[in-house]
Amino acid sequence: DAGVIQSPRHEVTEMGQEVTLRCKPISGHNSLFWYRQTMMRGLELLIYFNNNVPIDDSGMPEDRFSAKMPNASFSTLKIQPSEPRDSAVYFCASTTSVVGAEQFFGPGTRLTVL
Amino acid sequence: GENVEQHPSTLSVQEGDSAVIKCTYSDSASNYFPWYKQELGKRPQLIIDIRSNVGEKKDQRIAVTLNKTAKHFSLHITETQPEDSAVYFCAASYNNDMRFGAGTRLTVKP
Repeated sequence: DAGVIQSPRHEVTEMGQEVTLRCKPISGHNSLFWYRQTMMRGLELLIYFNNNVPIDDSGMPEDRFSAKMPNASFSTLKIQPSEPRDSAVYFCASTTSVVGAEQFFGPGTRLTVL
Repeated sequence: GENVEQHPSTLSVQEGDSAVIKCTYSDSASNYFPWYKQELGKRPQLIIDIRSNVGEKKDQRIAVTLNKTAKHFSLHITETQPEDSAVYFCAASYNNDMRFGAGTRLTVKP
């Protein structure tokens, strides 16, 4: 298995532009998580899905952020409009729905908003 | 919601010494406590985990203890090696809702 796949690996954009991050979970995993990592705030859970349904989006910073999971093999995290303070590494992780199962992280997307 | 606190934020030890990282959590419903290691520029990777029905778990040089009454858990690394240098994160989870501590940057000096 290729593991969790994220694209792009690096994104540099200008303030005000729309940014879309993509994630493909491990096949057979039905829970998917989006995290944001910064030096100041550490590793923050933004939103997670079970069986393609958003369960908890309380970590999404504001309305500029949105996430979708149209099917079991694909999810997007969109920022519109982007701001410099959104610069961070965004990780996607997936796991089975078994309670206490390991979360497998993707390689992350390093986002820089100028 | 769950709040996880982790100490210390940085830890420097001599090769061969032991390292201990401590975490506390707030939600008594949390029942799964993993530890992740993140090397520079890499993704977090699970190194050990413990569930709420177990008090201690060991895997070679790594051990984790859990005190549910006090709501704290700890990571112990013995005979540290330079390749143990990384950032370590604890986490507490209930029904897959996982919250991470702020991380501990461990440096092992040769």
